[in-house]
Amino acid sequence: ETAVFQTPNYHVTQVGNEVSFNCKQTLGHDTMYWYKQDSKKLLKIMFSYNNKQLIVNETVPRRFSPQSSDKAHLNLRIKSVEPEDSAVYLCASAKIGTTEVFFGKGTRLTVV
Amino acid sequence: GDKVKQSPSALSLQEGTNSALRCNFSIAATTVQWFLQNPRGSLINLFYLVPGTKENGRLKSTFNSKESYSTLHIRDAQLEDSGTYFCAAEAGNMGYKLTFGTGTSLLVDP
Repeated sequence: ETAVFQTPNYHVTQVGNEVSFNCKQTLGHDTMYWYKQDSKKLLKIMFSYNNKQLIVNETVPRRFSPQSSDKAHLNLRIKSVEPEDSAVYLCASAKIGTTEVFFGKGTRLTVV
Repeated sequence: GDKVKQSPSALSLQEGTNSALRCNFSIAATTVQWFLQNPRGSLINLFYLVPGTKENGRLKSTFNSKESYSTLHIRDAQLEDSGTYFCAAEAGNMGYKLTFGTGTSLLVDP
């Protein structure tokens, strides 16, 4: 099966902890993204990577850091989570030169 | 959300009826995508458009770049069409990122 795979599906953690989310795509795409969907369902881009290189870095707090080992993987680490980080984090990928993106099923983070 | 405005924000339809959703852009959109987010949260690709029209089964979408809007028409609505519909636009100078609308929440009733 070719798709975008995210783990974990859900994560509950306490304020101040560090979390890491994984994303892998088997579509052969060169570009990968992290989006955040808040409680009002607003979707906003956080990061964009093209073949392991960061090309878009929206204004996100410095505690968020993307990590890419190869063009098929883009993980997201959050150091010292805060309550406002509670959201669904969606990973996506696209072929180079196009913005037809395909999304994973998301990771729902709850910070208590 | 301001750069891509979706309307209506919510919609209730009876099974078998037709409707249209709309996105207006204040950015110079070059491509548009439509997604359905189902109740489980998955974003399903519906259409990827350059200016023009595409049709797929009961769905039809048009993107008019000159007038800065896109529409999604749903014909003969079914219960499984329920969910939140998002449009997203890309402007050529924005580094391959999509700007999403605020979504239309659709409920199809029997």
